[in-house]
Amino acid sequence: NAGVTQTPKFQVLKTGQSMTLQCAQDMNHNSMYWYRQDPGMGLRLIYYSASEGTTDKGEVPNGYNVSRLNKREFSLRLESAAPSQTSVYFCATLLDIYEQYFGPGTRLTVT
Amino acid sequence: AQSVTQPDIHITVSEGASLELRCNYSYGATPYLFWYVQSPGQGLQLLLKYFSGDTLVQGIKGFEAEFKRSQSSFNLRKPSVHWSDAAEYFCAVGAQTGRRALTFGSGTRLQVQP
Repeated sequence: NAGVTQTPKFQVLKTGQSMTLQCAQDMNHNSMYWYRQDPGMGLRLIYYSASEGTTDKGEVPNGYNVSRLNKREFSLRLESAAPSQTSVYFCATLLDIYEQYFGPGTRLTVT
Repeated sequence: AQSVTQPDIHITVSEGASLELRCNYSYGATPYLFWYVQSPGQGLQLLLKYFSGDTLVQGIKGFEAEFKRSQSSFNLRKPSVHWSDAAEYFCAVGAQTGRRALTFGSGTRLQVQP
């Protein structure tokens, strides 16, 4: 039982490149989230998915797209990376009523 | 809109000393409150949570927090800090409806001196 896994752990991109951050959970939870963490700003919600096939924008969605093709996986895509997207990205699931369980994070640097 | 303020960016305490990390929140109804800890290079681990009932909640690793509605606060405490407690601590408030996403404070970095 791995909980929430994220790949890759680290990534360096050049400005304008694209990539997809992967998140998978084996806890059979419906709701999943993508957050980004920046120094001095805590975590901010990028996108949310209540269930397979549904997604909703969070606080900072610009420059990102997401996909929830099945219950297990929730991917985050950067179509054209910018230096402002340098951050640590966390995926989370809704463990019970209001408690969230976080993955280990992906550290992304855009040069 | 909900918000969380952690007024202390960085705190240094001596090992064995007591600790209190401050958290103030803004929310229109009874909040759901959380404290998470993040060790360097790691993900977030839940320390404790408050949903309702007893306003003093106990968590893991000897931490506790007290919900004070009149002060809109949810401060984290520990009677005796260990060197392994050095980490960053985040307070968060959860929405009761809708997407139930968390709103985080900016974090407090705790340094423990020997």
